[in-house]
Amino acid sequence: AQSVTQLDSQVPVFEEAPVELRCNYSSSVSVYLFWYVQYPNQGLQLLLKYLSGSTLVKGINGFEAEFNKSQTSFHLRKPSVHISDTAEYFCAVSDHGTSYDKVIFGPGTSLSVIP
Amino acid sequence: EAQVTQNPRYLITVTGKKLTVTCSQNMNHEYMSWYRQDPGLGLRQIYYSMNVEVTDKGDVPEGYKVSRKEKRNFPLILESPSPNQTSLYFCASSFGQGVGETQYFGPGTRLLVL
Repeated sequence: AQSVTQLDSQVPVFEEAPVELRCNYSSSVSVYLFWYVQYPNQGLQLLLKYLSGSTLVKGINGFEAEFNKSQTSFHLRKPSVHISDTAEYFCAVSDHGTSYDKVIFGPGTSLSVIP
Repeated sequence: EAQVTQNPRYLITVTGKKLTVTCSQNMNHEYMSWYRQDPGLGLRQIYYSMNVEVTDKGDVPEGYKVSRKEKRNFPLILESPSPNQTSLYFCASSFGQGVGETQYFGPGTRLLVL
């Protein structure tokens, strides 16, 4: 069965510093990978996704993620964070099932940007 | 504006009192889904629907019901709520159900069952 691990439940970082949020998944088949962001008191919205092709994926708000098949990882990075990046970040993997692509979400990482 | 709406946004109720959380999308999406979000567990799927009159169980369906009579609406029904259903609920929709579709989420409904 698919599973998603986000090793860091909370990540504090100073404003303008770089950040990496880690995501590992388990799967025996090809996968699609997603990062969603949840700002305070809002629903989730897509940051970026990997379907195929280049392993480096660029998303909105200056975020990027790199798919590493050998390490089954899809870490999210930003070279310089802003106060407005404070949010909950969810990694998700899409399981190519027989009837539809089921999406499994990780437990989330809370990013706190410190001024 | 393309969006997924949920009502109510906040709800406090008592054990056993039936309630319905509505979900509506204006994007003509075929696929809709309900999730619950609990600390440390991320989002877990409750039910999903691939089209009108087609619904199926997700990972945590116990204690919930859904219906899909119209393409735009996908209400979540708690026939007899219990305290362990206290959670943050999200409705989501997508154009299709495969090929890495992006899901669009509603703003969430925070439910407290006393």
